[in-house]
Amino acid sequence: EVQLVESGGGLAQPGGSLRLSCAASGFTFSSYSMHWVRQAPGKGLEWVSYISDSGSTIYYADSVKGRFTISRDTDKNSLYLQMNSLRAEDTAVYYCARKYSGYDYFGYWGQGTLVTVSS
Amino acid sequence: EIEMTQSPATLSVSPGERVTLSCRASQSVSTHLAWYQQKPGQAPRLIIYGASSRATGIPSRFSGSGSGIEFTLTISSLQSEDFAVYYCQQYNNWPPITFGQGTPLEIK
Repeated sequence: EVQLVESGGGLAQPGGSLRLSCAASGFTFSSYSMHWVRQAPGKGLEWVSYISDSGSTIYYADSVKGRFTISRDTDKNSLYLQMNSLRAEDTAVYYCARKYSGYDYFGYWGQGTLVTVSS
Repeated sequence: EIEMTQSPATLSVSPGERVTLSCRASQSVSTHLAWYQQKPGQAPRLIIYGASSRATGIPSRFSGSGSGIEFTLTISSLQSEDFAVYYCQQYNNWPPITFGQGTPLEIK
């Protein structure tokens, strides 16, 4: 069974940093690209970032480019999101997600981790 | 960036009714369109991919159609567990992957 478990969320001050983790199990992590998707309170879904299975291809939403860094550790079956220069508008539940098959739609989601940016 | 627009903004319906939700893309996404269901406090759940293919375990009352820029999600007979927010997502031309704003399905 595919499982994705996020951690690392919490309260951060504007301008601060947080590092999110996503522990993957139930599949061959090194064979799948991964994404981060976020959802601000009471709002819709926003794609944040992508990393290919090898880690060689990375994309970011314009809203986080230059501030967030996605990475992965195959040995630890884990996905990460380093979030720097946090802003109030980064407040959201952050989900890691895996494609279902073939193309990049999301068949598997974690439970999400809440990031709150406030002074 | 491809903009996805869902309609209606909200929908109030009674159990047992047939419901059609719409999603329009700002440019063609072929059939690279997915639908998700999200209930309060839960992660989204994949319902439809490839515009019309049901994901594993999704009941047959859910169906998707469309191609190009116009898509629909139909629920043939609403059950109580179907009341949720529904999102469409395009994956034809990215980054960025983009979602519609969501359509909440509420009990009348």
